[in-house]
Amino acid sequence: GIQVEQSPPDLILQEGANSTLRCNFSDSVNNLQWFHQNPWGQLINLFYIPSGTKQNGRLSATTVATERYSLLYISSSQTTDSGVYFCAVWLSGQNFVFGPGTRLSVLP
Amino acid sequence: GAVVSQHPSRVICKSGTSVKIECRSLDFQATTMFWYRQFPKKSLMLMATSNEGSKATYEQGVEKDKFLINHASLTLSTLTVTSAHPEDSSFYICSARDIYRQGLIDTQYFGPGTRLTVL
Repeated sequence: GIQVEQSPPDLILQEGANSTLRCNFSDSVNNLQWFHQNPWGQLINLFYIPSGTKQNGRLSATTVATERYSLLYISSSQTTDSGVYFCAVWLSGQNFVFGPGTRLSVLP
Repeated sequence: GAVVSQHPSRVICKSGTSVKIECRSLDFQATTMFWYRQFPKKSLMLMATSNEGSKATYEQGVEKDKFLINHASLTLSTLTVTSAHPEDSSFYICSARDIYRQGLIDTQYFGPGTRLTVL
């Protein structure tokens, strides 16, 4: 099956810093999504991004499907950005395959 | 739109009892719902896929007699943990696929999760 890797596994930032999170996947997929799991466990959809680049405020994401990776950029990080960031990939109609996540801690 | 609720959000029970968790899609219909389990500091692990009006499909290694899933309507799926034991303590998350968004984004919408503690 499809394998998903994320890096780094853990990241500690000072408030205001920028960061890049990476998601690599082993096979061609036609769907990819980034999620933020907040400290209470709620998964929040960030980007549905099977290819190309999207931006939403301080967050942006780029997926290069032909090279099987996606990047999530967080600029001017805030303490509320803390949590775990997951990417998930899937073929249409099939189950999600989640990566192991990147645990982000933003210090005040 | 695309809101999924779970109830209860937190439950503590004694070993040997059964616990039922409800998952509802509030503003859309979902023929397919999914149940995940998440251990501390780990990723989500798919337990089963629940299709309205039919038997659930369980992932390898998930005991179907331990984790009973019922998907009686297009907006409700339930997970019952039978004869719960401390090792069943975990965070359980459901999700739902919106069937009417065909041609748009084929994604899942996640509930807020249920934290189960078995004493």
